[in-house]
Amino acid sequence: NAGVTQTPKFQVLKTGQSMTLQCAQDMNHEYMSWYRQDPGMGLRLIHYSVGAGITDQGEVPNGYNVSRSTTEDFPLRLLSAAPSQTSVYFCASSYRWQGEYGYTFGSGTRLTVV
Amino acid sequence: LAKTTQPISMDSYEGQEVNITCSHNNIATNDYITWYQQFPSQGPRFIIQGYKTKVTNEVASLFIPADRKSSTLSLPRVSLSDTAVYYCLVGDIRQGGKLIFGQGTELSVKP
Repeated sequence: NAGVTQTPKFQVLKTGQSMTLQCAQDMNHEYMSWYRQDPGMGLRLIHYSVGAGITDQGEVPNGYNVSRSTTEDFPLRLLSAAPSQTSVYFCASSYRWQGEYGYTFGSGTRLTVV
Repeated sequence: LAKTTQPISMDSYEGQEVNITCSHNNIATNDYITWYQQFPSQGPRFIIQGYKTKVTNEVASLFIPADRKSSTLSLPRVSLSDTAVYYCLVGDIRQGGKLIFGQGTELSVKP
């Protein structure tokens, strides 16, 4: 059971480039979310999904797109990278009723935009 | 979503009990209280969740008074490995996946 898998672990982009951060979970979780965490700061919600085909914006959605075509995958697309998007990105997933388990987080993608 | 307020940082020594209090004055009837732990360079890890009174698991206890306007995470006999950031979150976990993190409490455990 792999849990939440994020790829890549590290990435350097040039300003203006686009890329997709991958997130996959094998726990059949309905809920999935993307967060970013800047150095010394808390996590901020970018986008989230309550099931396949359903997505919604979080606190800081500008500059990012998401889609949820399957239950397992929830990719995050950076349309035109900017230095302000330098951050660590975490993907998380959960059952609809979190119960005693809460969200499971991936190990993160460390992104640097130069 | 209810806003939470918790101390920015706390210090403790090994073997002591640590209590971190979170204020959430605007908590709604359907909101649950959840705590997460985050080590440097790792994603947060779920610790405990509750609705009212007291919840205990193998890691921590969560105390919630009757008015539910605050909650206290209790870590018994902390060790150096408990040094981390602890986040208190409030929300209706049965509806939607919108989980908002606050600033968290940075706990430093000293020998």
